Amino acid sequence: SAVISQKPSRDICQRGTSLTIQCQVDSQVTMMFWYRQQPGQSLTLIATANQGSEATYESGFVIDKFPISRPNLTFSTLTVSNMSPEDSSIYLCSASDMGNTEAFFGQGTRLTVV
Amino acid sequence: AQTVTQSQPEMSVQEAETVTLSCTYDTSENNYYLFWYKQPPSRQMILVIRQEAYKQQNATENRFSVNFQKAAKSFSLKISDSQLGDTAMYFCAFMKHLGAQKLVFGQGTRLTINP
Repeated sequence: SAVISQKPSRDICQRGTSLTIQCQVDSQVTMMFWYRQQPGQSLTLIATANQGSEATYESGFVIDKFPISRPNLTFSTLTVSNMSPEDSSIYLCSASDMGNTEAFFGQGTRLTVV
Repeated sequence: AQTVTQSQPEMSVQEAETVTLSCTYDTSENNYYLFWYKQPPSRQMILVIRQEAYKQQNATENRFSVNFQKAAKSFSLKISDSQLGDTAMYFCAFMKHLGAQKLVFGQGTRLTINP
């Protein structure tokens, strides 16, 4: 299994600013993902964080708004740029290994944009 | 594209009762995985149970079991002898057998176990 630490756990931000969320895994993993969970709703995949290359974004999500880094096999960051109140959500980091279908999740970052 | 549908936004049962959460999905894939994840108020997503589509036998994990009907594209979760700690959001999720291991989630069911 993998233990995932996310920082910060919550934040309140002014509109127009950016926030970077960090995700640290306690072991090397093949796959890392970022999900968004809007209030009272399900999880939607934002992108797959690829080690050493650009992230793969899902439809409706763009790199300029959600730049992602993955410098190694245990760490990734998600930046929410030029925030608006509509970005208020929980952002969750997830990790899994190729061939192991179980995905592990961080505790999420609750973001409120005012 | 795959879709997952949970038609029960909320459910509530008494402690020790049995409860069944429904999930249907749509896919053109023949091999895939299905999951039930639990999200308590702590927000930590926890894997409850998983099912491989090419296995006919329904998965079980202690008090948790599934009823997997591949032809009907149905994947329900049964919780027996429910406990207060089972109170959480439950998400049904789909993953392709081959590919990027991305999860597609249903809308979730909020389950409350009452004392």
